Amino acid sequence: GAVVSQHPSRVICKSGTSVKIECRSLDFQATTMFWYRQFPKKSLMLMATSNEGSKATYEQGVEKDKFLINHASLTLSTLTVTSAHPEDSSFYICSARATGGLSYEQYFGPGTRLTVT
Amino acid sequence: GQQLNQSPQSMFIQEGEDVSMNCTSSSIFNTWLWYKQDPGEGPVLLIALYKAGELTSNGRLTAQFGITRKDSFLNISASIPSDVGIYFCAGQEFGFNKFYFGSGTKLNVKP
Repeated sequence: GAVVSQHPSRVICKSGTSVKIECRSLDFQATTMFWYRQFPKKSLMLMATSNEGSKATYEQGVEKDKFLINHASLTLSTLTVTSAHPEDSSFYICSARATGGLSYEQYFGPGTRLTVT
Repeated sequence: GQQLNQSPQSMFIQEGEDVSMNCTSSSIFNTWLWYKQDPGEGPVLLIALYKAGELTSNGRLTAQFGITRKDSFLNISASIPSDVGIYFCAGQEFGFNKFYFGSGTKLNVKP
């Protein structure tokens, strides 16, 4: 149980285009999902907290117009990187917390490797 | 965002040796977590701690929640090759929804 999937696992796009990454909780409902970014050999940096049915809460320094988050259902959150540039290349990881679950119980997806050329 | 100091940054040990790593924070946390991440994958939760002074084990892994609530350590006993990976601590402040991650400890185990 408690499986989180991400799609796609890898994506290569051209500079200036937009890319959508999906995060799905497969066997549980998730009111809250989190989006992280991870640079090579670095830690996970929290980008935003995504709450079902409401606006995402972005961390300081993260551009909300650049990284659009939509959490339209209890099992799906999407992150859209708009007008992507090479510096947006990174490993993006989502996590999901079960509705009514303990605060620390967040389950991570396998990540999406974005490369912008 | 919140910064956690995790050390050491990397370790090279022989199979069978014990390992210790720790995290410190400038803020008081009410929850500490330890994760392991394999290359190209998401982190997997190893141990969760939510009480100051708590000592919790999971097989060969033991973690403690520091008395000051500003630190935590993880020990791995009798290391084996499959312990190789990056270990992250994560902390949650009281009243906040989110976790912040340490910088990671890369563990290498020589057979």
